[in-house]
Amino acid sequence: QKEVEQNSGPLSVPEGAIASLNCTYSDRGSQSFFWYRQYSGKSPELIMFIYSNGDKEDGRFTAQLNKASQYVSLLIRDSQPSDSATYLCAVANSGNTPLVFGKGTRLSVIA
Amino acid sequence: AAGVIQSPRHLIKEKRETATLKCYPIPRHDTVYWYQQGPGQDPQFLISFYEKMQSDKGSIPDRFSAQQFSDYHSELNMSSLELGDSALYFCASSLGQGLVNEQYFGPGTRLTVT
Repeated sequence: QKEVEQNSGPLSVPEGAIASLNCTYSDRGSQSFFWYRQYSGKSPELIMFIYSNGDKEDGRFTAQLNKASQYVSLLIRDSQPSDSATYLCAVANSGNTPLVFGKGTRLSVIA
Repeated sequence: AAGVIQSPRHLIKEKRETATLKCYPIPRHDTVYWYQQGPGQDPQFLISFYEKMQSDKGSIPDRFSAQQFSDYHSELNMSSLELGDSALYFCASSLGQGLVNEQYFGPGTRLTVT
């Protein structure tokens, strides 16, 4: 059974701070890793994906992957109240295989 | 940019009725995935299609069936609806080649079974 674990939160950070979201996965065969943002009642929105060990930066977002530790993280710099949402970590084996989601971490950015 | 289109956006059905959900993928995307998300839950994979053939099957009840048509749109058919089928149903699409295939989600269909 493939599992993706996330701290459910809520994670509260002040506006302008760095939010750090973490995710672990059980299947060592996982090859690609995704972070989605989901506002209540809305669909998941793809923020970033990563498949190589190390860091990948895109604007205020940085994804980090450590395959040896089976650990993925997402850093959000200069957090804004509009970043308040649930962040879903998802993993896939390869190619066009389905995503396995974690239960999500609820982030609250306090103005 | 064009996104995934789903219809209807909201659907109310009674127990034991049938429902059909439609999904139109992003142009040129050849893979479609269906996910179900219950209240407070993470999305659960139901079924996927690549180039009009079923590629993976998840926790889809036998009462549900799906297919992908020649124009790549997909339909999820749900029969003998139960109260527990009330959920958000998302369709996602991707370009099914390469190591990493980013899946883009549609706005979802909110199904309420009464």
